[in-house]
Amino acid sequence: DQQVKQNSPSLSVQEGRISILNCDYTNSMFDYFLWYKKYPAEGPTFLISISSIKDKNEDGRFTVFLNKSAKHLSLHIVPSQPGDSAVYFCAASDDRGSTLGRLYFGRGTQLTVWP
Amino acid sequence: GAVVSQHPSRVICKSGTSVKIECRSLDFQATTMFWYRQFPKQSLMLMATSNEGSKATYEQGVEKDKFLINHASLTLSTLTVTSAHPEDSSFYICSASSQLGYGYTFGSGTRLTVV
Repeated sequence: DQQVKQNSPSLSVQEGRISILNCDYTNSMFDYFLWYKKYPAEGPTFLISISSIKDKNEDGRFTVFLNKSAKHLSLHIVPSQPGDSAVYFCAASDDRGSTLGRLYFGRGTQLTVWP
Repeated sequence: GAVVSQHPSRVICKSGTSVKIECRSLDFQATTMFWYRQFPKQSLMLMATSNEGSKATYEQGVEKDKFLINHASLTLSTLTVTSAHPEDSSFYICSASSQLGYGYTFGSGTRLTVV
């Protein structure tokens, strides 16, 4: 059973515009959420994270929003750049900030940013 | 930053043979190592979790006798796919969790093709 869901397998955005990637989860025990970027044949690279005690975290062009009541989070990329084209994975953990916990991943969304 | 080196990046083997994949944490001690498997256009599925010096914990449906995991030191974990079959062809990724802080560092992945 997929506890983390990314319902959009792909997203296409023009350079300079905003990219919004969505993620839903079912487990109310998840308390930490992460976004990873992945290129083909490479391991995921950490982008940004958010704790369940916050509803927003910003890092440069990347902002993650968390709506706990809706069990929904989103990643905003502004402005989008062609180099952002990759697969983006949403991940969640239920280990209350432990360094030893496992991650649950969504299926990923392929973002394509065109000039 | 923390780096996990994963080798080999690609391997092709004959059906019935065994393949070993290594993950090394280069500049930190990986208390816990996670092994994931990814099928095309699918999520990263956790196979097993290993803690240094103890037996790995396998996820439901993962054959522990087929996917042997060894985490003999704080900097090295290995995954051996024994008696490989074509259906074992996949992308395998390791991830290390350290005491440096809450975060996961991924290896670059191994593309296994069994012919």
